[in-house]
Amino acid sequence: DTEVTQTPKHLVMGMTNKKSLKCEQHMGHRAMYWYKQKAKKPPELMFVYSYEKLSINESVPSRFSPECPNSSLLNLHLHALQPEDSALYLCASRDPKRGAGTDTQYFGPGTRLTVL
Amino acid sequence: SQQGEEDPQALSIQEGENATMNCSYKTSINNLQWYRQNSGRGLVHLILIRSNEREKHSGRLRVTLDTSKKSSSLLITASRAADTASYFCAMVNDYKLSFGAGTTVTVRA
Repeated sequence: DTEVTQTPKHLVMGMTNKKSLKCEQHMGHRAMYWYKQKAKKPPELMFVYSYEKLSINESVPSRFSPECPNSSLLNLHLHALQPEDSALYLCASRDPKRGAGTDTQYFGPGTRLTVL
Repeated sequence: SQQGEEDPQALSIQEGENATMNCSYKTSINNLQWYRQNSGRGLVHLILIRSNEREKHSGRLRVTLDTSKKSSSLLITASRAADTASYFCAMVNDYKLSFGAGTTVTVRA
């Protein structure tokens, strides 16, 4: 199984709502990533989890709260978002045991988020 | 953060023609990867070239890397309608991916 799944596919939320995005993989990868992608732009890294611990936070606003409850699951909790946070949110995973010369990231299909 | 630039921004070719896109980057890398994205969906890994490699092939794909010029190119030969997508180079340093701006390729039937 080389699949990363993300739910929901689409999400519309108001600025006062609390919602969560979910990402799951069963490849045994112990590094998981959240990216944000605006229309016609490349993905931008938000967070990196390595062995279930947050290793990188790319100065993301606190209204985005990541969580890695186990080695297969990654969540992104959303609260008090702004309309400019509307974007495609992508999850990815990687096998950190592989060296830097051979590693690749496997991406999920993304969650299309619209903040009203 | 975006670390690379790609050109052209957009490319339209006839089915069967070759497509070439270029990527330039600014800092040192462990390896460079190319990804494809269809219609705002997830990215699919195409090919990885290590910093000590100069050229790599995978099926209809050919990638070159010139670390002295900090540049890479992706060639897709004998293009098909299914190759219509956005293509991103991604520079890898310390296991972080930094993407180029992307090239949108349209293959006309």
